[in-house]
Amino acid sequence: QQQVKQSPQSLIVQKGGISIINCAYENTAFDYFPWYQQFPGKGPALLIAIRPDVSEKKEGRFTISFNKSAKQFSLHIMDSQPGDSATYFCAAQRWGGSNYKLTFGKGTLLTVNP
Amino acid sequence: KAGVTQTPRYLIKTRGQQVTLSCSPISGHRSVSWYQQTPGQGLQFLFEYFSETQRNKGNFPGRFSGRQFSNSRSEMNVSTLELGDSALYLCASSHGQVSFLTGELFFGEGSRLTVL
Repeated sequence: QQQVKQSPQSLIVQKGGISIINCAYENTAFDYFPWYQQFPGKGPALLIAIRPDVSEKKEGRFTISFNKSAKQFSLHIMDSQPGDSATYFCAAQRWGGSNYKLTFGKGTLLTVNP
Repeated sequence: KAGVTQTPRYLIKTRGQQVTLSCSPISGHRSVSWYQQTPGQGLQFLFEYFSETQRNKGNFPGRFSGRQFSNSRSEMNVSTLELGDSALYLCASSHGQVSFLTGELFFGEGSRLTVL
């Protein structure tokens, strides 16, 4: 059972454009939704995260939009740059419960063309 | 502050062999998690240890096992290797406690296992 569904699998954007990656979750107990960025040959690194008490969180060019009723959240990358080319993973967790694991989406390979 | 260190970075084994991977977490972190990364399945949770106790386990066969030592270092072992075990194995450390505001995981660069 895939608890976090991520789309698209791959995305090609021109420099300066907006990259949008979407995720949907099933478990309503999830209350922590991070996005991780992974460059080739490296481990994933936390990019930005949100809790369901807010509908949007912005950090620089990166914004998470969260829709609790639809059980969906998305990552928007404004003014996309070639250096943003990486694989992006959304994830979900029930923070503070007895479950300390993150459930990841399958990832989106983002390519930003110069 | 040193990051998460995983060894070895690359290894090649044949079917039926076993392998042990090592992970040294960030100093002060007591939680270590292991994930398997493959192109088709993405990041799949293997298990998580906190203060030498396994708190969570993913849906992997018993051939996959792990342990954590008193210094928080962790090892995972895969016995009777199969071709499908070829993957990047990632270790992540965190504080692992509710008292901290986030559940941020700090990943190592992984151990890439190839099974022939």
